[in-house]
Amino acid sequence: GAVVSQHPSWVICKSGTSVKIECRSLDFQATTMFWYRQFPKQSLMLMATSNEGSKATYEQGVEKDKFLINHASLTLSTLTVTSAHPEDSSFYICSATGTSGRSSYEQYFGPGTRLTVT
Amino acid sequence: GNSVTQMEGPVTLSEEAFLTINCTYTATGYPSLFWYVQYPGEGLQLLLKATKADDKGSNKGFEATYRKETTSFHLEKGSVQVSDSAVYFCALSHILTGGGNKLTFGTGTQLKVEL
Repeated sequence: GAVVSQHPSWVICKSGTSVKIECRSLDFQATTMFWYRQFPKQSLMLMATSNEGSKATYEQGVEKDKFLINHASLTLSTLTVTSAHPEDSSFYICSATGTSGRSSYEQYFGPGTRLTVT
Repeated sequence: GNSVTQMEGPVTLSEEAFLTINCTYTATGYPSLFWYVQYPGEGLQLLLKATKADDKGSNKGFEATYRKETTSFHLEKGSVQVSDSAVYFCALSHILTGGGNKLTFGTGTQLKVEL
């Protein structure tokens, strides 16, 4: 139980285009979702926190107009990287917390999406 | 603010060796503590957790004890296997206003186990 999926698992896009990454909670309702970015051989950097139906809260230094986050339902959040550039290439990981009998504070992580911008 | 410090890697061990990965933290209040494991090309998986002082988390032969007096949560395993090769992240959580939690991660420690 408590499965989080991400789609796509990897994507290659051209510089200047936008790419959308989906994060889904498959067997629970995710009241809060988190988006992280991980650079090679480094830790996870929290980008933003989103609650269903409200605007995302971005961490300091993260451009909200570049990394658009939508949490329209209790099972889906999307991250759109707009006008992507090679420096946006990274591993993006989402996580979710919810209820339905599980710890409401434990984060469950998706498998990650590898973005390469050429 | 909250922070987590882990020993730098990579840590290279022979199979069946004893493993210790040190983790210390700085936090206000009483955070929960976690160890996550990341296998190559994959996302994070929760390995074990402890929610209060003196709790011991354990899973798959790994153990860690929440030591409030030393603000530590060191990861140990008595006999590692090649399949344990991965990056291990120590993390703490604190509760957000309005619900949910926020995780603060250490920098990760890469473990390589050789035959």
